[in-house]
Amino acid sequence: QSILTQPPSASGTPGQRVTISCSGNTSNIGTNTVNWYQQLPGMAPRLLIYRNHQRPSGVPDRFSGSKSGTSASLAISGLQSEDEADYYCAVWNDSLDDYVFGPGTQVTVL
Amino acid sequence: LQLQESGPGLVKSSETLSLTCTVSGGSISTNSFFWGWIRQSPGKGLEWIGSIYFGGSTYYNPSLKSRVTISEDTSKNQFSLKLSSVTAADTAVYYCARHMAYKQQRGADHWFDPWGQGTLVTVSS
Repeated sequence: QSILTQPPSASGTPGQRVTISCSGNTSNIGTNTVNWYQQLPGMAPRLLIYRNHQRPSGVPDRFSGSKSGTSASLAISGLQSEDEADYYCAVWNDSLDDYVFGPGTQVTVL
Repeated sequence: LQLQESGPGLVKSSETLSLTCTVSGGSISTNSFFWGWIRQSPGKGLEWIGSIYFGGSTYYNPSLKSRVTISEDTSKNQFSLKLSSVTAADTAVYYCARHMAYKQQRGADHWFDPWGQGTLVTVSS
C-alpha cells in the first residue's frame, strides 16, 4: 500500500492530452521534489521527469511535470501509441527517510 | 553509464539472496552519487530497497532494514545486495540504478537514473 496515490488507469486517443495525478502529503510531495518514471511492457523503468518538471536528455517535450502543494501531475500531450506504458511518480519521504513510489498508472492509447 | 545485475535466479526460502551490480562507463568511487537497489514483485509496483554512498554509508527501506545489506567493491566497480531470510514475498525483478540525491534548502531531490535491465529472482520453497 503506497503512501502516494495515483489513478490506476488513464487513456486517450492519438494526439490527445492525458494527465496523471499523484497525491501525497507534507512529508513527501509537500517538501521534496517529485520524479516520474515510464515503464514500457517488459522493460526496466526509465526516468521521465526529475525535480518536478525537468526532463532528462532524450525525453520528448510532449512530457511535462508540475507540482502544487502536496500533489503533482504528469501530462502527455500529443499522445502516441508508443506512450502505452505504466507511469510511476516517486519522491523522498521525510517521515521514514525512504524513497517511495506511487502505485502506478497504466496509460492506454485507444 | 550502464548498470548490469547478476546473481542466482532461484533462491530457497529462508536463505540469503545475493545480487551484484556491475557499473561500466563510470566509477562508483565518486562522492557525487549513491547507488541503489529497487525491486518489483510480479504484476506489482516498484519498491526501493536501499542505497549506498561511496565510502560505505547506507540507507535502507525501513520495512526491509533488518534483512538488507548493501556493500561496495570499488576494485571491481560493483555494489551488491544481500537480503536474508527470504520468503515467497521476496520474489521479484531486482533492479540496480544510480541514485542522485541533493539536499536543498527548499527540500530534497532524489531520483534514479539510469537503471539496469533487471534480474528476476524467484524464491522457492
